[in-house]
Amino acid sequence: DQQVKQNSPSLSVQEGRISILNCDYTNSMFDYFLWYKKYPAEGPTFLISISSIKDKNEDGRFTVFLNKSAKHLSLHIVPSQPGDSAVYFCAASASSSNTGKLIFGQGTTLQVKP
Amino acid sequence: DVKVTQSSRYLVKRTGEKVFLECVQDMDHENMFWYRQDPGLGLRLIYFSYDVKMKEKGDIPEGYSVSREKKERFSLILESASTNQTSMYLCASSILGLAGAGLGTQYFGPGTRLLVL
Repeated sequence: DQQVKQNSPSLSVQEGRISILNCDYTNSMFDYFLWYKKYPAEGPTFLISISSIKDKNEDGRFTVFLNKSAKHLSLHIVPSQPGDSAVYFCAASASSSNTGKLIFGQGTTLQVKP
Repeated sequence: DVKVTQSSRYLVKRTGEKVFLECVQDMDHENMFWYRQDPGLGLRLIYFSYDVKMKEKGDIPEGYSVSREKKERFSLILESASTNQTSMYLCASSILGLAGAGLGTQYFGPGTRLLVL
C-alpha cells in the first residue's frame, strides 16, 4: 500500500519556465513533508520541507505548497535551470510514530531543456 | 555539514556470498537508516536504528540483517546474496526527535551500487 505517491514518473520543461512536481499521500497522520533531489550515482540531498501547520514554504527558487484537505503537496521550481535535472522524491513523516521514519514516493525525473 | 560515508561506491558479488555494507556518520545522530532504491519503486526502508544495539525492521527486511555496535556506524549485511538484491543501497542518518518539530530531515550517503551475479 503506497502511502506516498508521485504519479508522474517524468516531467520535461524548458529552461526558465516553471516546474511543478506533485505528490499525494493517504495517511492523515503525516505532519511533516520533505522534498529530496537525487542525481545519478549520488545519494539524495535534502531540498525543502514543510510542516502541516503551514501551507507554503519558500526557499529561493523552490516553493513547496501543502493542501491538507486534498492530501496533496507540490514543489514549484521557478525559474527552472538545466542543473535542476534530477530525480525528485517527496517524503512524509508522522510525529506520532516517534521513530524518525520517512515514507518516500516513487520519484519524478525532471528534465530541464536548455 | 553532516557527512555520511559508505564504504564502497560500487560492489560486485556472487550469488551466495555474504556481503557487508558499512555506513558512518559524523554528526552524532541517533537515528540511522538503510534503504534500497530501485527504478519505479522509490526508496524502500530495509532497517533502521535509533540507538546503539537497537534495530527495527523496515518495509523489506527479508534477506538482510544489520548491526550497530557504535553510534556512528551502521552496517547492512546480506547473509546470502541473491540476484534480486542487485540495487542501489543508501544509508541515512537523522537526529532523534519529533519530525513535526522539523527534526525529521535525513541526510544520505553517496550510495553503494551492488551487482550480484
